[in-house]
Amino acid sequence: GQQVMQIPQYQHVQEGEDFTTYCNSSTTLSNIQWYKQRPGGHPVFLIQLVKSGEVKKQKRLTFQFGEAKKNSSLHITATQTTDVGTYFCAGPGSNYQLIWGAGTKLIIKP
Amino acid sequence: NAGVTQTPKFRILKIGQSMTLQCTQDMNHNYMYWYRQDPGMGLKLIYYSVGAGITDKGEVPNGYNVSRSTTEDFPLRLELAAPSQTSVYFCASSYSPDVSVGTNTEAFFGQGTRLTVV
Repeated sequence: GQQVMQIPQYQHVQEGEDFTTYCNSSTTLSNIQWYKQRPGGHPVFLIQLVKSGEVKKQKRLTFQFGEAKKNSSLHITATQTTDVGTYFCAGPGSNYQLIWGAGTKLIIKP
Repeated sequence: NAGVTQTPKFRILKIGQSMTLQCTQDMNHNYMYWYRQDPGMGLKLIYYSVGAGITDKGEVPNGYNVSRSTTEDFPLRLELAAPSQTSVYFCASSYSPDVSVGTNTEAFFGQGTRLTVV
């Protein structure tokens, strides 16, 4: 069945270092969404990418959608403690479901 | 604007008991979803609905039931609770899951229900 693979599962960084998470879909996606879940919280929508090769920025966050619309990445520049949480990608599946990546947990080293 | 409201926030059940997790949204969304999230894991789809009167199974439907009699409400029923159902349950809704249906695909989540079965 359709799958969205997300790596890495965890990333430990020092505050101020960069963070990147990658998603790869087994099928071409019409769009991809990114969400952030803070510890103990619920997923919150960050952004939607629709166009092939699209790049969008939100302050220190940069989102990319691949040319083939099968992969995507989220890059955070100069991480801060407020960035801690788990980042998920999700794309539409058949039958109007959302197919979710497993998430990448961003951990800031003390 | 309430968004997606889930009740209760916490619940402890004994093995074999039943309960209903309530979910209501005030955004007139057609698409609604129930997920479970085990500790440190991702989201697993239990059931979903594309509109009032229409429901379908997701990845892990066993032990659960849903109904969708109105656009606003999408309750999840647990019958004969088992320890394996200990999890955090999230309800979500969206205007559209795919830009081919509608351009706004943002999913809104409730605060979650933390369920423990002992």
